[in-house]
Amino acid sequence: DGGITQSPKYLFRKEGQNVTLSCEQNLNHDAMYWYRQDPGQGLRLIYYSQIVNDFQKGDIAEGYSVSREKKESFPLTVTSAQKNPTAFYLCASSAGTGGKNIQYFGAGTRLSVL
Amino acid sequence: EDQVTQSPEALRLQEGESSSLNCSYTVSGLRGLFWYRQDPGKGPEFLFTLYSAGEEKEKERLKATLTKKESFLHITAPKPEDSATYLCAVQRGQAGTALIFGKGTTLSVSS
Repeated sequence: DGGITQSPKYLFRKEGQNVTLSCEQNLNHDAMYWYRQDPGQGLRLIYYSQIVNDFQKGDIAEGYSVSREKKESFPLTVTSAQKNPTAFYLCASSAGTGGKNIQYFGAGTRLSVL
Repeated sequence: EDQVTQSPEALRLQEGESSSLNCSYTVSGLRGLFWYRQDPGKGPEFLFTLYSAGEEKEKERLKATLTKKESFLHITAPKPEDSATYLCAVQRGQAGTALIFGKGTTLSVSS
């Protein structure tokens, strides 16, 4: 089945620790995205990538880093600089970034601080 | 500033009681408006995309419409399984940018 796989489903971070969230897609999509969702708030864009080896900051990139070495993969690292990391993280992909490109989402990773 | 506002925040309906959810937007150069359904603890599931004023899309008990300033998601004779949070998002006019999401409307349908 084609889709987007996020892992792990739940993740716990200790103080001062960096953690990496995995996102893999087998839809052959060029573009991938990371969003953060907090209770009572809309999804907010962290980073996005239109093509391999290229990515751009979204609205709330501080404290996060990404890489795009393969078309299928777009991992997100939550660094120790992110002081409030507890949230639900969603990865999405689309065939492109122009108009008429639907974004499809993974099942999410819930990150909590110990 | 580009913005998406959804109302109401929460809506409780009886089974069979039709209603509408609203999504109003201010964006320069709308390239598309998207509706998603999100169940608790899961990722959003795509429902509809609309591109021009006057456009309508239907799927089972759901119908989405679009004007120059807002979109409506009409729910006809809802069932308990329609209970979820419905998210509206717009794609801005600049190429390469992602979606701007509203905060969502949480719908509860009781039998």
